[in-house]
Amino acid sequence: DAKTTQPNSMESNEEEPVHLPCNHSTISGTDYIHWYRQLPSQGPEYVIHGLTSNVNNRMASLAIAEDRKSSTLILHRATLRDAAVYYCILKKYSGAGSYQLTFGKGTKLSVIP
Amino acid sequence: NAGVTQTPKFQVLKTGQSMTLQCAQDMNHNSMYWYRQDPGMGLRLIYYSASEGTTDKGEVPNGYNVSRLNKREFSLRLESAAPSQTSVYFCASSEAPMRVSTSTDTQYFGPGTRLTVL
Repeated sequence: DAKTTQPNSMESNEEEPVHLPCNHSTISGTDYIHWYRQLPSQGPEYVIHGLTSNVNNRMASLAIAEDRKSSTLILHRATLRDAAVYYCILKKYSGAGSYQLTFGKGTKLSVIP
Repeated sequence: NAGVTQTPKFQVLKTGQSMTLQCAQDMNHNSMYWYRQDPGMGLRLIYYSASEGTTDKGEVPNGYNVSRLNKREFSLRLESAAPSQTSVYFCASSEAPMRVSTSTDTQYFGPGTRLTVL
C-alpha cells in the first residue's frame, strides 16, 4: 500500500507561513507526490504535485527531501480560506494496469485570525 | 463550464432500496472515478473508468455497480442499500487515461452526494 503519514491537525496564525509535513518512506522511484485539500463541505481540490525537484505554483510550494522519503507543503501566507484538510498522496501503480491516488486521513489545518 | 456535476445532493433511503447516483463532466476527460468518504476519513476509491467503455474495481467495490454511459457520464448504482453505505459520495474526472502515468493528470471533484441509509 502507498502509505503516507501526516499529523492529524495543525494550527497557524493568519498571514503567517505554514509548513505541512508528510512522510512517505515506502515511496518508489516512479511515484509522484500529490497534495490535495478539502474545504468544509466540498470535494477535494488539487494543490500541487512533484517528483524529485521542489515545485512552486500560485497556491503553494512543495519541498521534497533529497531521498524523497518526506515532503513539505508550504503555504506562504495563510488566510482564513486556507482552513481545510490537506492530503498528501502518492500516485502509485496499482498493479491492475492503472495508476491511482490513495487518500489518507490528512492534516486538518486551522487558521487563527 | 460546470466542471463535474453530481445529482442528487442529498438522499435518504431505507435499507433494501435501490438508487443511482449520477455524475457528468464537461471537460472531455478520459478517466472518471467514484469515491466514498466516511466521517473523519479520507476518500476511498469504489470504482473507476479509465476510458469510455471500461470500468474497474477500486478499493471498496462491494455493494455497488457502475456504468460509463458515454465519455461525459459515469453513474454509481446501489442495488440494495445498507446502513453501512451511509456516506458522502464524490465523483471525479481526469484528463489522462489511468493506464499511463503522467505528471499532469489532476483529478477534478464534484460537490458530493450525501447519502443516508436508514
